[in-house]
Amino acid sequence: GENVEQHPSTLSVQEGDSAVIKCTYSDSASNYFPWYKQELGKGPQLIIDIRSNVGEKKDQRIAVTLNKTAKHFSLHITETQPEDSAVYFCAASYTGTYKYIFGTGTRLKVLA
Amino acid sequence: AAGVIQSPRHLIKEKRETATLKCYPIPRHDTVYWYQQGPGQDPQFLISFYEKMQSDKGSIPDRFSAQQFSDYHSELNMSSLELGDSALYFCASSVKLVPDTQYFGPGTRLTVL
Repeated sequence: GENVEQHPSTLSVQEGDSAVIKCTYSDSASNYFPWYKQELGKGPQLIIDIRSNVGEKKDQRIAVTLNKTAKHFSLHITETQPEDSAVYFCAASYTGTYKYIFGTGTRLKVLA
Repeated sequence: AAGVIQSPRHLIKEKRETATLKCYPIPRHDTVYWYQQGPGQDPQFLISFYEKMQSDKGSIPDRFSAQQFSDYHSELNMSSLELGDSALYFCASSVKLVPDTQYFGPGTRLTVL
């Protein structure tokens, strides 16, 4: 069945450094890949997304890259700040169902 | 901007009791999704509705049922609650023009004692 693997499970970086989180999906029909940030006790918040017809997308300090051939996509956060500390989830879905298959999450800790 | 509203935010029930969770999607959103998130886990898809019809079904137990009403709000009914049902339950909504982009509510934390 559909599966999304996410690495690493935890990531600690110094403030100002970059953070990279990687996900691999199994279903080649997947064509939409959102990233969510979840703070403790809150719902997932959409931070960036990418569709399968695009290889890269950037929004200020956040960027996402997609490699359809290898079936993996990555989240890049530059100039990290303490408020970036949270759990980040990748997800995959495809036209027709739109339900999300989530990765297992990455706990990012930005050290001041 | 208006967000997804879920109620109640916290719910404590005994085993074998029944619980009803409510979700009010973002205005003009016509699709609702329900997810269950256990402690330290990723959200798992339960069920979705588009225009008041069930559109997809995931790992939802037979003890659970859901529906979407004419005003697009949705309710998740959970019966014969078990200890393992303790989790965060999220509702998300999307709009027909961009059906794949889901916006999540703050969640309902259900504790079964």
